[in-house]
Amino acid sequence: GAVVSQHPSWVICKSGTSVKIECRSLDFQATTMFWYRQFPKQSLMLMATSNEGSKATYEQGVEKDKFLINHASLTLSTLTVTSAHPEDSSFYICSARGGTSGSNQETQYFGPGTRLLVL
Amino acid sequence: GEDVEQSLFLSVREGDSSVINCTYTDSSSTYLYWYKQEPGAGLQLLTYIFSNMDMKQDQRLTVLLNKKDKHLSLRIADTQTGDSAIYFCAEGLTGGGNKLTFGTGTQLKVEL
Repeated sequence: GAVVSQHPSWVICKSGTSVKIECRSLDFQATTMFWYRQFPKQSLMLMATSNEGSKATYEQGVEKDKFLINHASLTLSTLTVTSAHPEDSSFYICSARGGTSGSNQETQYFGPGTRLLVL
Repeated sequence: GEDVEQSLFLSVREGDSSVINCTYTDSSSTYLYWYKQEPGAGLQLLTYIFSNMDMKQDQRLTVLLNKKDKHLSLRIADTQTGDSAIYFCAEGLTGGGNKLTFGTGTQLKVEL
């Protein structure tokens, strides 16, 4: 249980284009999803917190107009990197939190990540 | 502020025990987690401990929590080559949107 998928697993795009990354909770309803980015050999940095049906909460320094997050259902959140530039190249990882009771509600389950390369 | 520190690298021989340490600063943490990341992959939840516990054991994994010193450790018994990965500790706060603050990560290398 508690499986989270991401699509695509990797993407290469030209500078100036937009890229959409999907995050799905496959066997549970995710009341909250989180988006992280990870640079090589570094830790995960939280970008935003997304609650189903409401606007995402962005961390300080993250441009909300550049990283559009939509959490339209309890099993799907999307991150769109708009007008991507080479400095946006990174490993983007989502996580989902949900469950019915107990500690499952607190624990975040992570997707396998999406590697973005902007040329 | 929140700051989670780990040593960067640990090398052990196969069959030995590994101990990965983590220090954190936020005393209001509710849960503390250990995640494993293999190259090019997402994070796999290994185990977690509630902040009112001192120890938790799960098969080869033992988590020790010293809340007074804000120190968390993960012991892996009988370490195998498949355990080679980066290990992240993370602290979570209930009521704070359950955001996680991750440590810097410890790369564990298991040698034959």
